[in-house]
Amino acid sequence: DGGITQSPKYLFRKEGQNVTLSCEQNLNHDAMYWYRQDPGQGLRLIYYSQIVNDFQKGDIAEGYSVSREKKESFPLTVTSAQKNPTAFYLCASSGDRNQPQHFGDGTRLSIL
Amino acid sequence: AQSVTQLGSHVSVSEGALVLLRCNYSSSVPPYLFWYVQYPNQGLQLLLKYTSAATLVKGINGFEAEFKKSETSFHLTKPSAHMSDAAEYFCAVRPTGANSKLTFGKGITLSVRP
Repeated sequence: DGGITQSPKYLFRKEGQNVTLSCEQNLNHDAMYWYRQDPGQGLRLIYYSQIVNDFQKGDIAEGYSVSREKKESFPLTVTSAQKNPTAFYLCASSGDRNQPQHFGDGTRLSIL
Repeated sequence: AQSVTQLGSHVSVSEGALVLLRCNYSSSVPPYLFWYVQYPNQGLQLLLKYTSAATLVKGINGFEAEFKKSETSFHLTKPSAHMSDAAEYFCAVRPTGANSKLTFGKGITLSVRP
C-alpha cells in the first residue's frame, strides 16, 4: 500500500543533542512538508519542499533543518538551537497542486 | 494572508445528535478548503475537500460540508453522531495559486456522549 512512513514513533532528546526524524513516502509525490503540533495550536509549518534538492522555510523554521536528496525522503533534524522541541511532528506529502496532503502517523519528541 | 477560524475548542454531542463544527476563512479569492480528522496519536486523515466544484461536498464517514462564499464559511456536519466520531477535527485552507501551503485552524475536539 502507498503511504507515508514516519520513524521512530517516539523519540527522546537530551539537552544539547541534535535528533533526526525520518519521513519516507512511496506515493510518488513531488511536495513534502513538516508540521509541528502542540495542544490547542493546530499545525504549524516548519519546512516544505516542492521538488528534490529544493526546500523553503515555513512559519517556524528556527532551530530545525531539512534535506531533500531523494523524492521519497524528507528528513527533519531538530537541532540544539530549538529550545522547546517537545511536540508531535507530522510529515505530509502531496502530488498535483489540486490534491490534498497525505499525512504520516507522526513522531512524538520529548526531552529527557 | 489567509487564515482559518474554528470557533471554540471543544464540542460535545449525544450519540445520534447532529454534529456541527464551524469553520470560517479569510481570503480575497475563494480558496481550496479541507476538513481533516485526527484520532489520538495518529496523523491527519482527509474527510472532504472543496476545490471550486459543487458547493455541497460529501466526505467519508457520513460527513459533509457546504461552501458559502457570502459567509466565508465551510462548516462540517453529520446528521447523526456515532461514538467512533470522537476525535479532533481541523479545517484547512489553501490558495488556488501556485503556492501549495496549507493553513490550519486550531482544531476542535468532538466528544460523543452515550
